[in-house]
Amino acid sequence: AQKITQTQPGMFVQEKEAVTLDCTYDTSDPSYGLFWYKQPSSGEMIFLIYQGSYDQQNATEGRYSLNFQKARKSANLVISASQLGDSAMYFCAMREGSNDYKLSFGAGTTVTVRA
Amino acid sequence: ETGVTQSPTHLIKTRGQQVTLRCSSQSGHNTVSWYQQALGQGPQFIFQYYREEENGRGNFPPRFSGLQFPNYSSELNVNALELDDSALYLCASSLKTLAGVGTDTQYFGPGTRLTVL
Repeated sequence: AQKITQTQPGMFVQEKEAVTLDCTYDTSDPSYGLFWYKQPSSGEMIFLIYQGSYDQQNATEGRYSLNFQKARKSANLVISASQLGDSAMYFCAMREGSNDYKLSFGAGTTVTVRA
Repeated sequence: ETGVTQSPTHLIKTRGQQVTLRCSSQSGHNTVSWYQQALGQGPQFIFQYYREEENGRGNFPPRFSGLQFPNYSSELNVNALELDDSALYLCASSLKTLAGVGTDTQYFGPGTRLTVL
């Protein structure tokens, strides 16, 4: 079974607008962490934001925020005030407490920001 | 910039050959993980090294092997290359604490793009 599901293969967003990228996860482990990474065309995976399963507050990092809905097992990334440099592939990933050595990635969502 | 470096940037090999990819971890990190990313897909976990020992392994055959050195840098070796091994190979470093606290966030290098002909 897929651990991480990203259902949006590609999205277009207008510059300065907000965009939400969907991520649902599947685990029975009570302890886990959720990560979002950005991968520009250059290939490097850039860490954006982290949410722990026991965190009470939704994580925020600058223009990035994570909408964590534990009961729904979703961890959507919100990018506010989109910029042209935000055009990239975005990956949601999970680390489970029982297998804390690895990240399980989704298939990714391509975001294209239009001027 | 994460401080994680990988070499070489690109590599072309033929089927059946062997390849070694290298990774230098971020200063202060003690753990290195390797991932394979085929075109258009998410990265797949190969294995992780912590304190010079393999700490976990994904669903990859034994011809994928690795090493971690005392300075925490690492190598990924692939023997008997197959066409399907063509991919971007990503190395990630992190700090694993004995207490198990913290995020153990993995920071990635720029990757090595391997083409097998």
